[in-house]
Amino acid sequence: AQSVTQLGSHVSVSEGALVLLRCNYSSSVPPYLFWYVQYPNQGLQLLLKYTTGATLVKGINGFEAEFKKSETSFHLTKPSAHMSDAAEYFCAVSERGNTPLVFGKGTRLSVIA
Amino acid sequence: GAVVSQHPSWVICKSGTSVKIECRSLDFQATTMFWYRQFPKQSLMLMATSNEGSKATYEQGVEKDKFLINHASLTLSTLTVTSAHPEDSSFYICSPTGYPYEQYFGPGTRLTVT
Repeated sequence: AQSVTQLGSHVSVSEGALVLLRCNYSSSVPPYLFWYVQYPNQGLQLLLKYTTGATLVKGINGFEAEFKKSETSFHLTKPSAHMSDAAEYFCAVSERGNTPLVFGKGTRLSVIA
Repeated sequence: GAVVSQHPSWVICKSGTSVKIECRSLDFQATTMFWYRQFPKQSLMLMATSNEGSKATYEQGVEKDKFLINHASLTLSTLTVTSAHPEDSSFYICSPTGYPYEQYFGPGTRLTVT
């Protein structure tokens, strides 16, 4: 069975500071890994995903994540936080492209002016 | 990316009534449909999986007679919440998938049962 652990249900950063959202996964097969963002009362927006190949994945809005197999991690980073980044972020894992995603509990990112 | 629509986006119904939620994949054929629900301030949890033309399979704890899923075509799937109760109030999100097996998500339907 697969699982995802997101460390920190709430992260607060200052505008312009580094954003680091942590995600660790458990999977018995090579995982597909995803980060989604959700704004209040809206659906999910895909930030980035890792399937195979390069372990450093660049996504939209300046976010990137690095797949570290030895650490079973897929942490999300952004060099400089913007007020518009304040939202809920979900890390998710799946076995392959046509299997359901298992989501972490989410991390709420607050950005302080 | 693919275009997925859900209708309605928001619905309020009275306890005991039924509500149908439609999910359409507008520009690709969805051979498989996942339905998730998200309770307030919680994560998404898989409710059921359906393949076009087949009966849905439900996750443990999800009542198949309460949440009726129809996936009769490659572009439309419906979720009907029968005899809705306040505890069914949630955000329901469909996730169609098809070749080349990308994960897509609908915009969600917020159900409030009074």
